Amino acid sequence: NAGVTQTPKFQVLKTGQSMTLQCAQDMNHNSMYWYRQDPGMGLRLIYYSASEGTTDKGEVPNGYNVSRLNKREFSLRLESAAPSQTSVYFCASSEVTGLTEAFFGQGTRLTVV
Amino acid sequence: KQEVTQIPAALSVPEGENLVLNCSFTDSAIYNLQWFRQDPGKGLTSLLLIQSSQREQTSGRLNASLDKSSGRSTLYIAASQPGDSATYLCAVDNTDKLIFGTGTRLQVFP
Repeated sequence: NAGVTQTPKFQVLKTGQSMTLQCAQDMNHNSMYWYRQDPGMGLRLIYYSASEGTTDKGEVPNGYNVSRLNKREFSLRLESAAPSQTSVYFCASSEVTGLTEAFFGQGTRLTVV
Repeated sequence: KQEVTQIPAALSVPEGENLVLNCSFTDSAIYNLQWFRQDPGKGLTSLLLIQSSQREQTSGRLNASLDKSSGRSTLYIAASQPGDSATYLCAVDNTDKLIFGTGTRLQVFP
């Protein structure tokens, strides 16, 4: 019963390096989301995908790109990491946007030095 | 712009107490409201989902209510236990995305 799986769990990057955070869900959900969580700021939406083949910007999209590879997978890419992107990143999915329960992965703790 | 506020930010209670966590939101045009639990260093676990047409939902010792017109929800925890210690987050679903409050950090001591 995997649910939402994120890789990696931890990552340290140097400023300017790039990386891709991977997310996969096995619940046949249509909608997937990427959030970041920072102390005192709560969770903020970076990008979301309401269905396979579509992506939309959330509250804090600058510095990130996403790919909805297929119905199961939704990746988040940092092209040129900055210290301000140090955060915990969460992927989530739901069956139907706006109507059903959201399920979250365990998070990726990213540090940019 | 939808804003979600949770009060109090932190709460410490002795085991066995009944307690209420509060969540307020500024835009009443929501699809649903969810309550989540987050343990330190972990992801979020969904506790209760209340659709916009519903007034409350119950799961075990948890009861969540929703008053859309006033922009408020409460999470009631009965007979609290040390295992309930965690951060509780509410989120409203507003135009295809969840907007989160900053959470209430709950500590239940024996």
